[in-house]
Amino acid sequence: GAVVSQHPSRVICKSGTSVKIECRSLDFQATTMFWYRQFPKKSLMLMATSNEGSKATYEQGVEKDKFLINHASLTLSTLTVTSAHPEDSSFYICSARTSGSRTNTGELFFGEGSRLTVL
Amino acid sequence: GESVGLHLPTLSVQEGDNSIINCAYSNSASDYFIWYKQESGKGPQFIIDIRSNMDKRQGQRVTVLLNKTVKHLSLQIAATQPGDSAVYFCAEGFSNTGNQFYFGTGTSLTVIP
Repeated sequence: GAVVSQHPSRVICKSGTSVKIECRSLDFQATTMFWYRQFPKKSLMLMATSNEGSKATYEQGVEKDKFLINHASLTLSTLTVTSAHPEDSSFYICSARTSGSRTNTGELFFGEGSRLTVL
Repeated sequence: GESVGLHLPTLSVQEGDNSIINCAYSNSASDYFIWYKQESGKGPQFIIDIRSNMDKRQGQRVTVLLNKTVKHLSLQIAATQPGDSAVYFCAEGFSNTGNQFYFGTGTSLTVIP
């Protein structure tokens, strides 16, 4: 089946630094990828929709300048947490959608997630 | 065992029993629903999906039921096994856009050996 890979799986950084998380679709092209944030024992919260070759669409309440998303190719989207603070510590998960057809919306596949800890 | 989803986020069942996990979705216009399983420290994994033109869909050991009248979705797991222990999320979306899905509150399933 389709595979989505995230890197790094774990990252610890100092407050004030920026961290980049990569999301790759390994065996399919994904024009659309999604970034989620998950707090402990909580559901996934959609942060933004990443569209290849265009600007990301952010959900209400998500700071665009804080969470920079770049989808430069059909297999790679990156999330950069800028000037990270301890409250940004979370589990960040991406998903990618396979191409759909007239009768199929395509299927979402998720990465394993990236755990960010900001000291 | 059975959960009420948003109000009972944890469910414990004996190995071999059937499990029922419930989910109340929010948007009556949603026409595509997915159940995901998430093990500790890992990303969500697809279990089964259903479109709004169906009331029931069966997979391997799992059945999803959809009641559009009351905006309710349930996941039934037959003969629950220890490996089924995880958090289960339902997600709702739209088939015409195939766009992002919104996740409901998860239910933590613990299988007692």
